[in-house]
Amino acid sequence: QQQVKQSPQSLIVQKGGISIINCAYENTAFDYFPWYQQFPGKGPALLIAIRPDVSEKKEGRFTISFNKSAKQFSLHIMDSQPGDSATYFCAASDGRSYNTDKLIFGTGTRLQVFP
Amino acid sequence: SQTIHQWPATLVQPVGSPLSLECTVEGTSNPNLYWYRQAAGRGLQLLFYSVGIGQISSEVPQNLSASRPQDRQFILSSKKLLLSDSGFYLCAWSVSADTQYFGPGTRLTVL
Repeated sequence: QQQVKQSPQSLIVQKGGISIINCAYENTAFDYFPWYQQFPGKGPALLIAIRPDVSEKKEGRFTISFNKSAKQFSLHIMDSQPGDSATYFCAASDGRSYNTDKLIFGTGTRLQVFP
Repeated sequence: SQTIHQWPATLVQPVGSPLSLECTVEGTSNPNLYWYRQAAGRGLQLLFYSVGIGQISSEVPQNLSASRPQDRQFILSSKKLLLSDSGFYLCAWSVSADTQYFGPGTRLTVL
């Protein structure tokens, strides 16, 4: 019940296309859903995050869509660029967990954007 | 602003040797601290987390240990390294806002 399932494992998109990565969870107590971007040899960096009181959040070319009833959320990258090539992780946390902010991470999606 | 440091950046160690990786955070007080391991091409495995000095929780039983001797210092150790300990070790911090901020990582190769 603590798992976050992420798909696909890898994704190849042409420059200018839309990249879509999906995540699903079971624990209805999760109330924070961030996405992290990781370039090779670097630590993950927070990209965008959403809470379940909204169904969509957009920051530039990056959009999170959230479906509370289906317990799913997804990352959409519009007008994908070669510089977006990285590994993307979804995550979830239960902010009411006592005294900690443990994030449950998905298994990651390796995105390659070709020119 | 807050910054997180990890060292060394890369490390090559023989099997059976000890290990000590260090992580320090600047610009914040009483952060939650985390150690993750990432195998090549794989996801993030939480190893340890700490909510305060001397308070360590272990997520995965293994031959690694963690310590937090100071508020903003987190150390990952091993007495005898195994081949399976090779990986990319990441330290992260958070302060009650769910978001975790990761360090640059240490690439450990055990030969």
